[in-house]
Amino acid sequence: DAGVIQSPRHEVTEMGQEVTLRCKPISGHDYLFWYRQTMMRGLELLIYFNNNVPIDDSGMPEDRFSAKMPNASFSTLKIQPSEPRDSAVYFCASSLAQGLSTDTQYFGPGTRLTVL
Amino acid sequence: LAKTTQPISMDSYEGQEVNITCSHNNIATNDYITWYQQFPSQGPRFIIQGYKTKVTNEVASLFIPADRKSSTLSLPRVSLSDTAVYYCLVVYSGGYQKVTFGTGTKLQVIP
Repeated sequence: DAGVIQSPRHEVTEMGQEVTLRCKPISGHDYLFWYRQTMMRGLELLIYFNNNVPIDDSGMPEDRFSAKMPNASFSTLKIQPSEPRDSAVYFCASSLAQGLSTDTQYFGPGTRLTVL
Repeated sequence: LAKTTQPISMDSYEGQEVNITCSHNNIATNDYITWYQQFPSQGPRFIIQGYKTKVTNEVASLFIPADRKSSTLSLPRVSLSDTAVYYCLVVYSGGYQKVTFGTGTKLQVIP
């Protein structure tokens, strides 16, 4: 299995532009998570899906952030408009639906976003 | 408010045992504690998971006291390749489940 795939690996954009991050979870996994990692705030959960349905989006910073999961093999995280404070590494992770507390999350390599 | 806290950093010499603690004071009866390791420019990866008492696998041990308000990851005889950031993860129950990573502990192994 190729593991969790994220694209792009690096993204540099200017303030005000729309940014779309993409994730392909491991086949057969029913949970998908989006995290943001910064030096100041550490690893923060933004949103997670179960069977393509958003379950907890309380970590999404504001309305500029949106996430979708149109099918079991694809998810996007969109920032519109982007701001310099959105600069971070964004990770996608997936897990089996054996139990959220006991599942092992498998992380992708991350997308390093820089907003100028 | 569920909080999961860890020491910011630790140093250790090669060959020593390292113990990293995580405080999760609001953990519910059915919640597990999971630990992850993260190297620079990579995503976190699973190390070990436990519910109570002690769990051991080929790379680490996890100690969880009876009150389960904290847990300790133990790395035996660390090497330079164990230099990484270590995170605990707790899924807090109640209402909907809240996935919460700890603040992370940067372990520096010294030759």
